[in-house]
Amino acid sequence: GAGVSQSPSNKVTEKGKDVELRCDPISGHTALYWYRQSLGQGLEFLIYFQGNSAPDKSGLPSDRFSAERTGGSVSTLTIQRTQQEDSAVYLCASSSDRRNYGYTFGSGTRLTVV
Amino acid sequence: GQSLEQPSEVTAVEGAIVQINCTYQTSGFYGLSWYQQHDGGAPTFLSYNALDGLEETGRFSSFLSRSDSYGYLLLQELQMKDSASYFCALNQAGTALIFGKGTTLSVSS
Repeated sequence: GAGVSQSPSNKVTEKGKDVELRCDPISGHTALYWYRQSLGQGLEFLIYFQGNSAPDKSGLPSDRFSAERTGGSVSTLTIQRTQQEDSAVYLCASSSDRRNYGYTFGSGTRLTVV
Repeated sequence: GQSLEQPSEVTAVEGAIVQINCTYQTSGFYGLSWYQQHDGGAPTFLSYNALDGLEETGRFSSFLSRSDSYGYLLLQELQMKDSASYFCALNQAGTALIFGKGTTLSVSS
C-alpha cells in the first residue's frame, strides 16, 4: 500500500485480556519495527524484523509481549494478560534498506487497558 | 548503552529561528536522524546526517558533529504549523533507531 497501515486504531480492553495489534507495512520494505509511546513520552523500541533474519526482541518489556511477521509482510504484536501499564500508543514503522530514507510510521493503535 | 538528550520544551514566535539541540552517547553509529510528530499524529522523517556538517532541506536544516557527540535541528521562518514534537534518533548497525524523549516546540503569533 501507499503507507503503513495499522489496525485497530483504538482498542479498549479489560485488564487480563489478550490483544492483537496488526501492522501492514509498505510493500517492498524489508524492515519492520514496533515502538510504544506513552502519553507525552518518547518512542520506546519493542521489536525489529529485518528480512528473513531472526527478529531483535531486545526491547520487549516482558514475556507477555510477542510479535511475528508472516511472509515478510504483515506483522502482529500480541500482548497477553494485559495490565494497565500497557496502555499506550503502539506504533509500527517500516523502511527500505536505504537508511537515509528514514522510517515510515503508521498512525498507531491507541491501547487502553481498563 | 546509548542515550540521547534533548530539551523538553522550546518556545518561539512566528518568523523566528529556533535550534533544537541533541547530545548523545554511543559506541558507534551510522548517523543521526530527526523526526517530527504533530499532536495525535505519526512521527514523520525530516532529515538524516551521516557525515559531520549541515544538511539543508527547505526551511529545516540539521547538523552533526561526531567529535562533540552533538547535533541540532534548525528551523527557520517558523510557522504555526511547526508546533510539534521533534525527536532526534541514532541510526546504528543491525538494530532499530533509538529515539530521544523529544522536544515540544510551541510557536506563537
